[in-house]
Amino acid sequence: EAGVAQSPRYKIIEKRQSVAFWCNPISGHATLYWYQQILGQGPKLLIQFQNNGVVDDSQLPKDRFSAERLKGVDSTLKIQPAKLEDSAVYLCASSLVRRTTGTGELFFGEGSRLTVL
Amino acid sequence: AQSVTQLDSHVSVSEGTPVLLRCNYSSSYSPSLFWYVQHPNKGLQLLLKYTSAATLVKGINGFEAEFKKSETSFHLTKPSAHMSDAAEYFCVVSGGFSGNTPLVFGKGTRLSVIA
Repeated sequence: EAGVAQSPRYKIIEKRQSVAFWCNPISGHATLYWYQQILGQGPKLLIQFQNNGVVDDSQLPKDRFSAERLKGVDSTLKIQPAKLEDSAVYLCASSLVRRTTGTGELFFGEGSRLTVL
Repeated sequence: AQSVTQLDSHVSVSEGTPVLLRCNYSSSYSPSLFWYVQHPNKGLQLLLKYTSAATLVKGINGFEAEFKKSETSFHLTKPSAHMSDAAEYFCVVSGGFSGNTPLVFGKGTRLSVIA
């Protein structure tokens, strides 16, 4: 079974530039998450999708971050304009939520490491 | 709201000795609890999961964790550390059975294993 795919793995940009990250979840997983992991910290949820609808985006800085999940499969996360503090690893995860057992295991991609200079 | 506190940012053990990584949680609901491991430059991998079944949960690579409601703890243990266990470990809480409840991660505990 193919895992969660993310690209690019690494990106270096200057502040005020824009960047986009792409995620392809495991086939059949309805729930997709974007997490931000700053060096030395645990991942922080940015946005959660259920199919192509947003479930939780309360911690997404909406003035500069946007995300979409067209057709309920692939997702893109965009940052425009980037700030120095956006330097982090952006992790995509997907899960298969079952009515009987609730939150299932999250499967993570290897992440996209962003450096903002 | 739920939160999780990992009591140690760094734990160092000798190879072959026991491992204990401590985690306390707070949740308004009956929680689901997880431990994830992250090796350098790798994605997060699930070690084990508690979802209100047996309180002692066995995971991969010889790890296990015990859910103690009275202590609001979910400590991760392993009888004998191996060099390959050196990694970052995250304790994670979810607010229960709702499929829409997000996972909240602790800040992580870095495990070093000394030969």
